[in-house]
Amino acid sequence: KQEVTQIPAALSVPEGENLVLNCSFTDSAIYNLQWFRQDPGKGLTSLLLIQSSQREQTSGRLNASLDKSSGRSTLYIAASQPGDSATYLCAGGTEGAQKLVFGQGTRLTINP
Amino acid sequence: DTEVTQTPKHLVMGMTNKKSLKCEQHMGHRAMYWYKQKAKKPPELMFVYSYEKLSINESVPSRFSPECPNSSLLNLHLHALQPEDSALYLCASKETSGSEQFFGPGTRLTVL
Repeated sequence: KQEVTQIPAALSVPEGENLVLNCSFTDSAIYNLQWFRQDPGKGLTSLLLIQSSQREQTSGRLNASLDKSSGRSTLYIAASQPGDSATYLCAGGTEGAQKLVFGQGTRLTINP
Repeated sequence: DTEVTQTPKHLVMGMTNKKSLKCEQHMGHRAMYWYKQKAKKPPELMFVYSYEKLSINESVPSRFSPECPNSSLLNLHLHALQPEDSALYLCASKETSGSEQFFGPGTRLTVL
């Protein structure tokens, strides 16, 4: 059974810093890995999707990597801004990719 | 257009009421999902519809009844709910296995 873990649960950094959010998973037969952001009381916004055959994906200031052998994915945020403050969730695709297994999320605060 | 819409945004209901949540997407996606999310927790999968047929039911109590009238529309019928069912209910959709999952803004449900 796939389990996904995100550490730390919360992170606070000053504006302008580059930062890395971590995601680990137990089953290397992961189908894909998707990163989301969620603002308080809102739905999830998809940030990046990495297929199991890919190593990384980039969108603007965001870069996500996937290492199936070590069971890890990272989300790199460059030049952080206060508007990046949100909860970031990673989710692994499983059961023929019908289902997503979510981590508990990292609550990120960027201080001006 | 990568939008999933949900109505209503907020719903307050008594334990004897019957109400419905509605989700709509016009992206041609053939898989649609219902999730339940409690505060500070990740979304929990409830139901998956694939090609308008129920493919996954995560042992959800029968007071929640999903319906997929057509490929663009997903409903969640609610009856005799409990206060602990109060949560954010999220709908999501995706094109095929392995593709990116898109979420709606959610319906905030309060059961009195």
